[in-house]
Amino acid sequence: DTAVSQTPKYLVTQMGNDKSIKCEQNLGHDTMYWYKQDSKKFLKIMFSYNNKELIINETVPNRFSPKSPDKAHLNLHINSLELGDSAVYFCASSPDRAREKLFFGSGTQLSVL
Amino acid sequence: GESVGLHLPTLSVQEGDNSIINCAYSNSASDYFIWYKQESGKGPQFIIDIRSNMDKRQGQRVTVLLNKTVKHLSLQIAATQPGDSAVYFCAERGITGGGNKLTFGTGTQLKVEL
Repeated sequence: DTAVSQTPKYLVTQMGNDKSIKCEQNLGHDTMYWYKQDSKKFLKIMFSYNNKELIINETVPNRFSPKSPDKAHLNLHINSLELGDSAVYFCASSPDRAREKLFFGSGTQLSVL
Repeated sequence: GESVGLHLPTLSVQEGDNSIINCAYSNSASDYFIWYKQESGKGPQFIIDIRSNMDKRQGQRVTVLLNKTVKHLSLQIAATQPGDSAVYFCAERGITGGGNKLTFGTGTQLKVEL
């Protein structure tokens, strides 16, 4: 049983399209995150939700909109995709907003052509 | 072998040798540090963590050392095995607006040679 699962694993799309990445965790955690990993393997936080409430919103273009229908799900919707959005996107969760140990999903490789 | 972990260098070690991966962190107020291992095609996986009130912590075959004076963190892997080949990240915790935010270093690629 995968603790943090993301779909799809690979996403290839054209510039200007809108796409979504889904994430679900079955750990019973309250807090979920989206991280972006660039081609140099640099990991940077994008968003964090605690029990469906947005608590961290880094400097991310507003083309990126996270949505948390419940505390087990955190989806990422991206409008008007650009070449620079190509990266690996990781979902993660932690027991609560104060617990630092993150559990990561296996990532979604987004390629914008 | 040793490496500095901010520019994604590659550290090559022989199987059975000890590995030392280094990391310099930026925020003197950081109170928690964590090491992650990322294998190819997978997400980062927790290895070991340490709080700022400690200077050493040991796990199974791994030891983390923290030197707050020079803001330096290291991960030591004993008797390195082929399965240890991966990219290793250090991360420090900063608190922002009530949220828990980990700032990651750029990683070090560890290659274990047979």
